[in-house]
Amino acid sequence: AQSVTQPDIHITVSEGASLELRCNYSYGATPYLFWYVQSPGQGLQLLLKYFSGDTLVQGIKGFEAEFKRSQSSFNLRKPSVHWSDAAEYFCAVGSTGRRALTFGSGTRLQVQP
Amino acid sequence: EAQVTQNPRYLITVTGKKLTVTCSQNMNHEYMSWYRQDPGLGLRQIYYSMNVEVTDKGDVPEGYKVSRKEKRNFPLILESPSPNQTSLYFCASSLRDGTNQPQHFGDGTRLSIL
Repeated sequence: AQSVTQPDIHITVSEGASLELRCNYSYGATPYLFWYVQSPGQGLQLLLKYFSGDTLVQGIKGFEAEFKRSQSSFNLRKPSVHWSDAAEYFCAVGSTGRRALTFGSGTRLQVQP
Repeated sequence: EAQVTQNPRYLITVTGKKLTVTCSQNMNHEYMSWYRQDPGLGLRQIYYSMNVEVTDKGDVPEGYKVSRKEKRNFPLILESPSPNQTSLYFCASSLRDGTNQPQHFGDGTRLSIL
């Protein structure tokens, strides 16, 4: 069965610092990978996705993620965090056979002034 | 504006009183899905629908029902709610298969079952 692990439940960074959120997945074939962001009281918004091709993908709000097959990872990065990035971030993996997304448990990001 | 609309946004009710959470999308999407979000567990799929009159169970379907009589609507029904169904619920839709296409999410419905 496919699974997604986000090892960091909560991360605090200073505004302007770089950010990396970790995501590891377990899936037999090449997965479809997503990062979503959830601001308080809101639904999930897609940040970026990876289906195939270039393993470094760019998303909205200055985020990027790198797919590393050898490490089964899809980590999310941002070079300089803004206070408005404080939110909860979810990594998700999709598989055509299962017709569903499997989500990680989320990482809550806090940004210090 | 393209959106997924859920109602109500908040509901407090009692055990055993049937309730329905509505979900509507205006993007002509074929695929729709319901998730519940619980602390530390992320989002877990309850039911999904590939198209009108086609629904199937997700990971946690027990205690829930759905229907898809029209393409735009996908209501979630709790026939006899229990306290363990207290959660934050999200409806989502995508153009076709929900696994290789971005899903659009509603703003969520917070249910409290007393």
